[in-house]
Amino acid sequence: QVQLQESGPGLVKSSETLSLTCAVSGGSIDSYYWSWIRQPAGEGLEWIGRIYSDGDTNYNPSLKSRVTLSVDTSTNQFSLKVISVTAADTAVYYCAREHTAECQGGPCPFYFDSWGQGVLVTVSS
Amino acid sequence: DIVMAQSPDSLAVSLGERATINCRSSQSVFYSSNNKNYLSWYQQKPGQSPKLLIYWASTRESGVPGRFSGSGSGTDFTLTISSLQAEDVAVYYCLQYYSTPRTFGQGTRVEIK
Repeated sequence: QVQLQESGPGLVKSSETLSLTCAVSGGSIDSYYWSWIRQPAGEGLEWIGRIYSDGDTNYNPSLKSRVTLSVDTSTNQFSLKVISVTAADTAVYYCAREHTAECQGGPCPFYFDSWGQGVLVTVSS
Repeated sequence: DIVMAQSPDSLAVSLGERATINCRSSQSVFYSSNNKNYLSWYQQKPGQSPKLLIYWASTRESGVPGRFSGSGSGTDFTLTISSLQAEDVAVYYCLQYYSTPRTFGQGTRVEIK
């Protein structure tokens, strides 16, 4: 059973950079798509973006200009960076695995089948 | 982006009664090439991360109780809890994985009447 664990600073100053890491255990990071999702307090879920184990990325256009994802297969971890944060970036951040299967000659991402417990990041002024 | 709209926003159901949650997508999430609907359902209890209940609109995830079922096709989908238990109090979300960006419904809060 794969397990995901987010880590990083819980408090970030406005205009600075939010950095989080997700450690994957109980399975390999290889051959899967990995996503970040966030949830402001009392609100719904927003998909931020995904990265494949080979480094291929997709981002939500709403955040694309400020977000960078990276992966380190040697340590079974992937990371999120959000630059120029504001109070609107305050949220619980989740990492998640996308069920990945072969389709049309390559890997395709589908639904989120495993989630981390989430980490609260607060942006302070 | 595909917009997902759930109804109702909240509902209160007596223990042992049926709870029905609807999810509508702004465009079809049915892929005719493999005859599948790219729609999943999640349960989020207070202070916890979302848990996968249903994928491909109607396939129950391993370990999920049989009282949870999913139905629908194209743009209209339903999550049914056939006999509500106390442990089912949660917020439920639908997710479309037909296209990027992935988008969720706004959530439906289920409470005990």
